[in-house]
Amino acid sequence: NAGVTQTPKFRVLKTGQSMTLLCAQDMNHEYMYWYRQDPGMGLRLIHYSVGEGTTAKGEVPDGYNVSRLKKQNFLLGLESAAPSQTSVYFCASSYDTLTTASSYNSPLHFGNGTRLTVT
Amino acid sequence: GQNIDQPTEMTATEGAIVQINCTYQTSGFNGLFWYQQHAGEAPTFLSYNVLDGLEEKGRFSSFLSRSKGYSYLLLKELQMKDSASYLCAANNAGNMLTFGGGTRLMVKP
Repeated sequence: NAGVTQTPKFRVLKTGQSMTLLCAQDMNHEYMYWYRQDPGMGLRLIHYSVGEGTTAKGEVPDGYNVSRLKKQNFLLGLESAAPSQTSVYFCASSYDTLTTASSYNSPLHFGNGTRLTVT
Repeated sequence: GQNIDQPTEMTATEGAIVQINCTYQTSGFNGLFWYQQHAGEAPTFLSYNVLDGLEEKGRFSSFLSRSKGYSYLLLKELQMKDSASYLCAANNAGNMLTFGGGTRLMVKP
C-alpha cells in the first residue's frame, strides 16, 4: 500500500516553461487536493477534486490547472512558470466512502512533496 | 473569510510538557485538525476535534472550545523526536481545510 505518491520530487524550471506534477493514490479516496507550502505562510489550497471528473478552485488557483480523469490520479499543470511559483507542492487525498464516517472528519493523507524552483 | 493563528516558534525541554495554541475564525466550522510535519517531510495526521473538550491519544492531547474559536495541542513527556512543526487546520463548510502557518517546536536536551 503506497498511499499518496508524487512525482517528480525535485524540478527546476526557467520562467515561461511548462510542466505537470503527477499525484497518484491507492486508497480509493474520493477527494484529492493540491497545496503549496511557502515559509511562514502555511499550506495554501490551489485546486481540489471531490471525485473523478470534477475539479474546483481553492485559495490560490491562478497560474495552475488540474485534471482528474481517473479517480486515483490528480494532475497539476503549470502552463507558463513564474518565479512566484517557486514552492513546495503537496498532493493530498481523503475520504474513503466505505470506511470513513463523513468527509468532514476524514484526515488528509499527504504525498512527500515536490520542490519546484523557477528561475 | 478564514483566519488561523498560532505561534511561529516554541522551545521546550526534553521530558517536559508543552502546549501549542491555535485560534481560528472560519465560516461554517466543521472541526479542527492537528498535523505534525518534520523538516523536509509531509504532514501527518495527529488529531481531530469537532466537539468541545479534550481528546487524548497517548502523549498527545488536543482541546477545542468552539465558543471561543480556540484549540490547543498538548504534548507530554517530550522527546527529541517531537521537534517538528505542528499545523493547526480548521474545516469549514464545503470540507475545505484552512491551515495556520505552523508552530515550529524545538525540543532541547
